[in-house]
Amino acid sequence: GAGVSQSPSNKVTEKGKDVELRCDPISGHTALYWYRQSLGQGLEFLIYFQGNSAPDKSGLPSDRFSAERTGGSVSTLTIQRTQQEDSAVYLCASSLASNRERQTQYFGPGTRLLVL
Amino acid sequence: AQRVTQPEKLLSVFKGAPVELKCNYSYSGSPELFWYVQYSRQRLQLLLRHISRESIKGFTADLNKGETSFHLKKPFAQEEDSAMYYCAVSGGSYIPTFGRGTSLIVHP
Repeated sequence: GAGVSQSPSNKVTEKGKDVELRCDPISGHTALYWYRQSLGQGLEFLIYFQGNSAPDKSGLPSDRFSAERTGGSVSTLTIQRTQQEDSAVYLCASSLASNRERQTQYFGPGTRLLVL
Repeated sequence: AQRVTQPEKLLSVFKGAPVELKCNYSYSGSPELFWYVQYSRQRLQLLLRHISRESIKGFTADLNKGETSFHLKKPFAQEEDSAMYYCAVSGGSYIPTFGRGTSLIVHP
């Protein structure tokens, strides 16, 4: 079946502009994660959605970052007033459920964001 | 809080040599541990996880609770093993924490 998809694959924007990144998880996966991947920094957790529960936003680096998940499926990560330090690859992952036995994550190809 | 340390940013070996990618974690309970791999121009994918106790592509990883380690090993490295490897730990929060990754280069 189809894996996790993300769009756009690349985004170049000017400092101060807003950007929206989209993630389509695997159908039936109730858990959805956003990560930021920077060179030499590994994967930085941003936000986590599980079913209809309130999202865990503990990883969002500032109030310029927000995310929503509509209908328990598609998610959008929004970065307002982008800064050059926001340049990174943004990864989305989904998993079947959050309980440990099902926690294998399936990753999308990522969106490479460059803020000029 | 759960933490993962991958002490090596880069590991360079020759084809046929043994390889060990180190991973140390901190978590007070019983964690679930994972190794993910990202080959060039491919997406990040699961290589293996502790609960499955599998050997994937010749790789194995043993959980050592005393040393809080989950090192990834392969007796004979192949060129196609060249990739970025991430260790991850998941505890009660169900949000896996990833290490910074180790880049493995296998020379011919």
